[in-house]
Amino acid sequence: EAQVTQNPRYLITVTGKKLTVTCSQNMNHEYMSWYRQDPGLGLRQIYYSMNVEVTDKGDVPEGYKVSRKEKRNFPLILESPSPNQTSLYFCASSLSPPGGSYNEQFFGPGTRLTVL
Amino acid sequence: AQSVSQHNHHVILSEAASLELGCNYSYGGTVNLFWYVQYPGQHLQLLLKYFSGDPLVKGIKGFEAEFIKSKFSFNLRKPSVQWSDTAEYFCAVRDGGSYIPTFGRGTSLIVHP
Repeated sequence: EAQVTQNPRYLITVTGKKLTVTCSQNMNHEYMSWYRQDPGLGLRQIYYSMNVEVTDKGDVPEGYKVSRKEKRNFPLILESPSPNQTSLYFCASSLSPPGGSYNEQFFGPGTRLTVL
Repeated sequence: AQSVSQHNHHVILSEAASLELGCNYSYGGTVNLFWYVQYPGQHLQLLLKYFSGDPLVKGIKGFEAEFIKSKFSFNLRKPSVQWSDTAEYFCAVRDGGSYIPTFGRGTSLIVHP
């Protein structure tokens, strides 16, 4: 089944304790991105990646890191989480067929993170 | 930078009422337009999209949207809503200079049975 998976789905942690949220897609998609969703603010893009070893900042990258060592995986890393990073996080991927035209994004199930 | 406005933040309707959710964007060039739905506790799913051609786009579950270029709008409509349409709806716009779309803040729709 074609899908985007995220782990963990729920995480409660404390300020300063490094954590990683994994994201994996099995659709051979080139584009992957991370969003955070907060009430009244909608989805805001954190980082995106156009291909392996190619990543770029989105609108709210501060406090986050990503890596794209393999096409299927795009982990989100919080080196020193803070309470303002308490949010719902979504990973998404999309295909870039030959010619570079864009297709819609497929979203993962979300990771609800609480930083105490 | 591209901006996307969803003017209705919260909408409450009774079943069988008609729905129209507004979406306006700021980019003047070629755009790709999307509406996503997020049911309670679930991830975002694509409702419909517009890339080119007929500006009236039909999506899943009876939804449709009309692209009006002169108004920079892509409003979502459904003639008769159901209780199961209770969800959050996001408009997203991708302009020609970006690989990733910009999302609006979302509209929360509650449909009373």
